[in-house]
Amino acid sequence: GESVGLHLPTLSVQEGDNSIINCAYSNSASDYFIWYKQESGKGPQFIIDIRSNMDKRQGQRVTVLLNKTVKHLSLQIAATQPGDSAVYFCAGMHRDNYGQNFVFGPGTRLSVLP
Amino acid sequence: NAGVTQTPKFQVLKTGQSMTLQCAQDMNHEYMSWYRQDPGMGLRLIHYSVGAGITDQGEVPNGYNVSRSTTEDFPLRLLSAAPSQTSVYFCASTHDGSGELFFGEGSRLTVL
Repeated sequence: GESVGLHLPTLSVQEGDNSIINCAYSNSASDYFIWYKQESGKGPQFIIDIRSNMDKRQGQRVTVLLNKTVKHLSLQIAATQPGDSAVYFCAGMHRDNYGQNFVFGPGTRLSVLP
Repeated sequence: NAGVTQTPKFQVLKTGQSMTLQCAQDMNHEYMSWYRQDPGMGLRLIHYSVGAGITDQGEVPNGYNVSRSTTEDFPLRLLSAAPSQTSVYFCASTHDGSGELFFGEGSRLTVL
C-alpha cells in the first residue's frame, strides 16, 4: 500500500465475477482509509472510505474491509463490469493540527475480461 | 459546479524554464493540494494548504513553490524546471476533515 515500486500490480477478472483488490499500509495513525479509482487520462475519483474504528463498510457494489491487526485493507467489487477497468489506489488519511495528511499506495490495475 | 479545474492540460518546457500550473475550485473547500504521479509510484504530495494564507510542504516539495491568496486558487510554480519534474500533476481539494479528495483532470508536464 505505501511501499514504492516500479511495477504496477495487475488483476484480471472475468466480467461478472467479483474482484478483490488488496492494500497493505504502514501508518497506524490513519483516521480514514480511502479507495480511489483512476481511469486512463483522468484524475482519481473517490469510491468509498472507512473510518479507522470500523472493519467493514458497504457501498453500491463495493465493500471495503479493514483489518487493523495485520494492517490490511481490501476493496471488493461485486459483479465486475467493463467500466470497472481502471487503476485503484488505497490511501490513508490522518488529521493533525495542520490539517489532513493523505498517503497513497502505488495502485493496482484492474482489467475486466469479456 | 465545475469542481477542480487545472490548466494547462499539457506543457513542454526546456530545462531551466519557469512556469505556473493553475488550479481553481468552486466548492469552497478549505483544503487544497498538489500531487505528482509517476509510473508505478502512486501519488506523491508536493504541497498543501488548509486555507488562504496557509501552506505547507508535502513529501516532495523541492523545486516547487505554492501560494494561497484566495480560497479558490492554489497555483504551483516551477522556478527552474528540471527533467526530473517530468510528470503528471494533479490538484485536489476537500472540506476540512473529509477523506474525499476531489481531483482535477491533471496536467502533463514534459521537461526536455
